[in-house]
Amino acid sequence: SQQGEEDPQALSIQEGENATMNCSYKTSINNLQWYRQNSGRGLVHLILIRSNEREKHSGRLRVTLDTSKKSSSLLITASRAADTASYFCATATETSGSRLTFGEGTQLTVNP
Amino acid sequence: KAGVTQTPRYLIKTRGQQVTLSCSPISGHRSVSWYQQTPGQGLQFLFEYFSETQRNKGNFPGRFSGRQFSNSRSEMNVSTLELGDSALYLCASSLGQGGTSPLHFGNGTRLTVT
Repeated sequence: SQQGEEDPQALSIQEGENATMNCSYKTSINNLQWYRQNSGRGLVHLILIRSNEREKHSGRLRVTLDTSKKSSSLLITASRAADTASYFCATATETSGSRLTFGEGTQLTVNP
Repeated sequence: KAGVTQTPRYLIKTRGQQVTLSCSPISGHRSVSWYQQTPGQGLQFLFEYFSETQRNKGNFPGRFSGRQFSNSRSEMNVSTLELGDSALYLCASSLGQGGTSPLHFGNGTRLTVT
């Protein structure tokens, strides 16, 4: 079963707006990762945030992690049409090895 | 550096047949993982190999198997194919073992079982 649940399932915004996607999980984690997938392609790693970190930035991406609420959010600022993709969170535990548990994903559409 | 390469890109098989999918990891990466992606079940972990040893296995039947060679290249095999095996099969490699390093995915093999 999927540990991660993502919210919303789909998001449609205009270019230049910010997009926020949320992820909740159920068990204690070692780290949480965000990936992007363009239609029919493989996943591309965006950010890895460890359980002892609260916030991380990479370019226009900002990820927060709240382990007390077992949730994370991904913020994409000043979105572009090229950001249109599915976004997945994935969790790794102390014992899971490379067995990441993925959420169901958020389909983001950025309209030009 | 070349990315993760998966072959073939597309495959059509008939129920009951068997199939072998191939994955070449990024040079220097010793960990290779396989995932199945379907619209209904999402992304599900199949197995992980590190230095030719299976380190982790997901909840899939024994029809799904894999191996890793000394050059880190990996193959997965599915025997006695069922319609439900139709999926995008993704291979990922990582520098470190065990979920502590980002996964680098290939573009997958789209398997259709008829």
